[in-house]
Amino acid sequence: GENVEQHPSTLSVQEGDSAVIKCTYSDSASNYFPWYKQELGKRPQLIIDIRSNVGEKKDQRIAVTLNKTAKHFSLHITETQPEDSAVYFCAASSWGTALIFGKGTTLSVSS
Amino acid sequence: DGGITQSPKYLFRKEGQNVTLSCEQNLNHDAMYWYRQDPGQGLRLIYYSQIVNDFQKGDIAEGYSVSREKKESFPLTVTSAQKNPTAFYLCASSGERGGLITDTQYFGPGTRLTVL
Repeated sequence: GENVEQHPSTLSVQEGDSAVIKCTYSDSASNYFPWYKQELGKRPQLIIDIRSNVGEKKDQRIAVTLNKTAKHFSLHITETQPEDSAVYFCAASSWGTALIFGKGTTLSVSS
Repeated sequence: DGGITQSPKYLFRKEGQNVTLSCEQNLNHDAMYWYRQDPGQGLRLIYYSQIVNDFQKGDIAEGYSVSREKKESFPLTVTSAQKNPTAFYLCASSGERGGLITDTQYFGPGTRLTVL
């Protein structure tokens, strides 16, 4: 089955800096790669996703890149703000299967 | 997503008792999922169902059971066989959105189960 590894487990940045979180996956059949943000005690919220036919996707300060050959994908947050502080999860799935999640990255943005 | 509800928000159980967690969605989604979240462990898949009256085990199904008698509902029972049930339980669903079939999962607010 699919296995998703996520790094780093914690990340501390200064406000205005960029943050990068990386994930690798094992199943070459996976074709859907979402990223979720979870604030303390709340449900995970989808922030961006990418499918295997696309190499990069941007949404304002957030971008995701995908390298299918190397089986890794990354989340990039530019101009970080204190409200970006949360736990971020990557996940992977193929059509019709459930998402398999990484273990999460705790991002702390200090002002 | 407001279309997925879970109840109760907090649940306390004595050792040896079975307990059922509710998950309901009004999004007309075909697929529903249960995840368990522990600190530092991410979200681990317990069970999922892609259609009514059918479901599959996830990575940590032992000690749990589910049913899918209605499209809108996917209750999870934590049995006494689950040795360490204290955790945050999240339900999710996926399906048609905006007229398109999508595998994007949307989560309910979660149930925090504590064994006393």
